[in-house]
Amino acid sequence: AQTVTQSQPEMSVQEAETVTLSCTYDTSESDYYLFWYKQPPSRQMILVIRQEAYKQQNATENRFSVNFQKAAKSFSLKISDSQLGDAAMYFCAYRSPPGGGADGLTFGKGTHLIIQP
Amino acid sequence: NAGVTQTPKFQVLKTGQSMTLQCAQDMNHEYMSWYRQDPGMGLRLIHYSVGAGITDQGEVPNGYNVSRSTTEDFPLRLLSAAPSQTSVYFCASSYRRIGELFFGEGSRLTVL
Repeated sequence: AQTVTQSQPEMSVQEAETVTLSCTYDTSESDYYLFWYKQPPSRQMILVIRQEAYKQQNATENRFSVNFQKAAKSFSLKISDSQLGDAAMYFCAYRSPPGGGADGLTFGKGTHLIIQP
Repeated sequence: NAGVTQTPKFQVLKTGQSMTLQCAQDMNHEYMSWYRQDPGMGLRLIHYSVGAGITDQGEVPNGYNVSRSTTEDFPLRLLSAAPSQTSVYFCASSYRRIGELFFGEGSRLTVL
């Protein structure tokens, strides 16, 4: 079974600074999807960014970018120019291709991101 | 554009009672699923469906039943609620069996 590990239960960053959230995963598959979801206090799950494993280029969405290291099974999220609205729980998630066991997302336990004004 | 709609948003049950959490999506998604979120545990997959009439178990299926009679709806049933089922429940869907999931707003269930 796949596992996803987020080793930082909580991170704190000054507003306008850059922060990196770590995620590692374990899989024997070669083709899969990785995601970062944001969960603000409203508890809504919001997709931040996605990465297909077959793509070597790191995904970028405005101030959010990832460092995808397939061989190391690492998928970190970098938030640039942190804003107060970025404060939330961030979850790393893995999805295997169809036929790779139970079909759904495997989540890490989350990182609580605090933005200091 | 409703997306994924869950009802109710809050519910309190007594041990042994039954209830159904409703989930509907209007995006014509093949895949639908239910997760539970507990403090410090992330989200864990309960059941999922890859199309009408097809359901399967996830990581934590015990105590829950599902059915998928239409593409749009995927209800989650608790036949005899237990305090261990106190949690926040999320329904999520995707167009196919790949790619990101779209989540409902969640339902907070408390079993006394």
